[in-house]
Amino acid sequence: EIVLTQSPGTLSLSPGERVTFSCRASQTIISSYLAWYQQKPGQAPKLLIYGASSRATGIPDRFSGSGSGTDFTLTISRLEPEDFAVYYCQQYGSSPLTFGGGTKVEIK
Amino acid sequence: EVQLVESGGGLAQPGRSLRLSCAGSGFSFDDYAMHWVRQAPGKGLEWVSGISWDSDNIGYADSVKGRFTISRDNAKSSLFLQMNSLRTDDTALYYCAKDRSSEPYDAFDLWGQGTMVTVSS
Repeated sequence: EIVLTQSPGTLSLSPGERVTFSCRASQTIISSYLAWYQQKPGQAPKLLIYGASSRATGIPDRFSGSGSGTDFTLTISRLEPEDFAVYYCQQYGSSPLTFGGGTKVEIK
Repeated sequence: EVQLVESGGGLAQPGRSLRLSCAGSGFSFDDYAMHWVRQAPGKGLEWVSGISWDSDNIGYADSVKGRFTISRDNAKSSLFLQMNSLRTDDTALYYCAKDRSSEPYDAFDLWGQGTMVTVSS
């Protein structure tokens, strides 16, 4: 099983700031089959990025993903008020599929 | 409207069974693989099981293998999860999720709102 480690657990930031999330895998993720999701309180997760760097339909271009192998990042170029949420990475290259533990972005 | 609606959750005693359902609408259900993902209260996401469009390819998390069975009825645009031998650590909100692809696996681009399962004596 591929273990995904997200760091840090919580970030305290202000609107307008740039933020980068880290997701590290215990082994190589084939074909960069890595996705990022956003989850707000009381809501289902929402797909942001798939294939490590492709934005899902309707996702603003302030969200970008990069990485390969075992190290991946999600960047929000400029935090908007609606971006304060929990972010999860997920690998879907091998079964069982696994999620990282999440990074919470809270308002400073 | 494109949506997934889960049902069937509730309270069950340890060792008992529950059957979850997920109804898809607004898209060609039989073109896509489908999944169940759960989230224990205050915790992160855990993939439970996935099934290809034609039911030929099925996968399970180790934590549920041998106890849970995923299935689908494409004629009724429905996904199911039969949960047997329930344990207290199965307590979670169970989401139904649509895969971007017909075969496992790709990212999940549509999620339901979830159905809560509580296992307690």
